[in-house]
Amino acid sequence: GNSVTQMEGPVTLSEEAFLTINCTYTATGYPSLFWYVQYPGEGLQLLLKATKADDKGSNKGFEATYRKETTSFHLEKGSVQVSDSAVYFCALRSGGDKLIFGTGTRLQVFP
Amino acid sequence: DADVTQTPRNRITKTGKRIMLECSQTKGHDRMYWYRQDPGLGLQLIYYSFDVKDINKGEISDGYSVSRQAQAKFSLSLESAIPNQTALYFCATSEASGRALNEQFFGPGTRLTVL
Repeated sequence: GNSVTQMEGPVTLSEEAFLTINCTYTATGYPSLFWYVQYPGEGLQLLLKATKADDKGSNKGFEATYRKETTSFHLEKGSVQVSDSAVYFCALRSGGDKLIFGTGTRLQVFP
Repeated sequence: DADVTQTPRNRITKTGKRIMLECSQTKGHDRMYWYRQDPGLGLQLIYYSFDVKDINKGEISDGYSVSRQAQAKFSLSLESAIPNQTALYFCATSEASGRALNEQFFGPGTRLTVL
C-alpha cells in the first residue's frame, strides 16, 4: 500500500544553518506530494506541494523536488530561523483523494 | 475568524463516557475529515465525508462514529471513551477532487484526555 517515511527527529540546528528533512514514499502511479507544517498549538498548514516528477515546490524559503527515480521529496531550506521551529509532515495524495502522512519531524532552531 | 473551527479545544473525560467533538467550516468545502495525532505516529484518518450523504471509514474507525449534519458541520463521537483514545484530534476540509490538488485545511485541534 501507499506509505510515507520521514527521518526521525528532533532535528536541532542553529539559526542560519542549512536544513534537510528526508522524505521517501511508496505509491502506485504518480501521487501528488506535500509538505505540511505544524506550529506549536496549531493545526497543520500546507507549506508546499508538487504534482509530477521533477516539479519543485517552494514557499517561505523552503523547497522540495519531486524525484520519481528515488521516490523522494526532501525538504530543504538554506538558512533556518528560530521561527521555523515546528513539526514538518510529508504527505502524499493516494487513490480516493485521501492524504497519507508521514510520522512528522520536529525541527528545533536555536539562536 | 478561523475558517475551520473545533469545539471543545480541550476535554478531560472518564472511561465509558460518551464524547462529541464538533467541527465547523466556513470555506464552503464539500469534503471533511477527522484525524487523530499521536506522538511518533503522525496523523491517522478516522473518518471522512465527501458530501453530506457520503460517509467513509478511515484507517482507525473502530470506537468512533461521525455525523455530517450539514455541508459545514462534521461531528466525531466516541460512544464509550477509553484511555487509548487520548490524543489530539484534528478536523480538516478540502475541495472536491480535481481542484486545488486536494489541499486540506486544518482546524486548531481538540486535545482529548480519557482517564
